[in-house]
Amino acid sequence: NAGVTQTPKFQVLKTGQSMTLQCAQDMNHNSMYWYRQDPGMGLRLIYYSASEGTTDKGEVPNGYNVSRLNKREFSLRLESAAPSQTSVYFCATELRTLYYEAFFGQGTRLTVV
Amino acid sequence: KQEVTQIPAALSVPEGENLVLNCSFTDSAIYNLQWFRQDPGKGLTSLLLIQSSQREQTSGRLNASLDKSSGRSTLYIAASQPGDSATYLCAVRYSGAGSYQLTFGKGTKLSVIP
Repeated sequence: NAGVTQTPKFQVLKTGQSMTLQCAQDMNHNSMYWYRQDPGMGLRLIYYSASEGTTDKGEVPNGYNVSRLNKREFSLRLESAAPSQTSVYFCATELRTLYYEAFFGQGTRLTVV
Repeated sequence: KQEVTQIPAALSVPEGENLVLNCSFTDSAIYNLQWFRQDPGKGLTSLLLIQSSQREQTSGRLNASLDKSSGRSTLYIAASQPGDSATYLCAVRYSGAGSYQLTFGKGTKLSVIP
């Protein structure tokens, strides 16, 4: 039972390059999230998907796009990477029933040079 | 804007001590509160989840309390061990505006010295 799996774990991009961060879950949860974690800033929500077929902006969506491909997969795309997007990105899932509890992947460490 | 504050930012204790980590939040309209542990270079591991109707939750040597009226939660770690060294994050899920999104504190970095 893998839980929440993120790929890749590490990535270095040049400014202006594009890439997609992948997230897959086998927990059968309906909600999925993308956060970024920066020193001194804590975790901030980029985008979320409350259920398959829906996506919504979080606190810091600029420069990102997302796709909820199916119930299991939620991807985050950087169309034109900027140094300000250097961060650690976390995917999370929730089962939104009586107890809303979040579960996180291991993170993707992205450096934009 | 909802805010979650964790003080201190870093804490160093000798092995065997009991310790308390603090979390405060500005809006008492919370749905639940979740404590996480994060090891260096790793993801977040859920430790305890407290619903707004609960006062505390326990798991092994960990006990988390919730006082909505004062806007505070504490994470108590009994008989600390070097393996407890990590960053501990508090996250509050607000029920306002129907969003139920998590707002995170910046964490307390705990070092347990052998």
